[in-house]
Amino acid sequence: DGGITQSPKYLFRKEGQNVTLSCEQNLNHDAMYWYRQDPGQGLRLIYYSQIVNDFQKGDIAEGYSVSREKKESFPLTVTSAQKNPTAFYLCASTAGGGYTTNEKLFFGSGTQLSVL
Amino acid sequence: QKEVEQDPGPLSVPEGAIVSLNCTYSNSAFQYFMWYRQYSRKGPELLMYTYSSGNKEDGRFTAQVDKSSKYISLFIRDSQPSDSATYLCAMKMGYVLRGGSEKLVFGKGTKLTVNP
Repeated sequence: DGGITQSPKYLFRKEGQNVTLSCEQNLNHDAMYWYRQDPGQGLRLIYYSQIVNDFQKGDIAEGYSVSREKKESFPLTVTSAQKNPTAFYLCASTAGGGYTTNEKLFFGSGTQLSVL
Repeated sequence: QKEVEQDPGPLSVPEGAIVSLNCTYSNSAFQYFMWYRQYSRKGPELLMYTYSSGNKEDGRFTAQVDKSSKYISLFIRDSQPSDSATYLCAMKMGYVLRGGSEKLVFGKGTKLTVNP
């Protein structure tokens, strides 16, 4: 079955540590996105990538980094510069590159990141 | 004023009730409107997708858009315990901003519980 796989489901970060969240899709989608969800808050866009080897900052990119070396993969690194990393992180993708108006966003099952 | 306002609830109803979920928005350029359903600790899944004003029905779900009032609604008929989830509204303008992907703006979500 096609879909978006996020791993791990739960992740714990120590003070000063960088951690990487994995996102893999087999939908052959061009565009991929990372969102952060805090309790009682809407989804906030961290980074997005419309094509391989290219990505753009979203609304809250500070303290995060990404790479897009393969079409299927869009890992997110939460760096030690992100002082409040505890949140539910969602990866998503769209079939097109984000340029057309009727593209629909498909989500992975999320990773809960907590600080020890 | 925030771009998208959504009452977070929680909303608790008995099984079989008609549920009404709503969002208001301030940006008159929004043309595409979506409702996502999110079960606890899962990724959101697209429930309804509508363009411009009017109604769209899919089984027990009806999405309604009133652009003149900047108000969208999701109605659930004959609600079931399996409908218990958080419902997120989302919307976008329908054209791509220069240099970037089209931005989807989410409401904070309304938590719904349907009691047997």
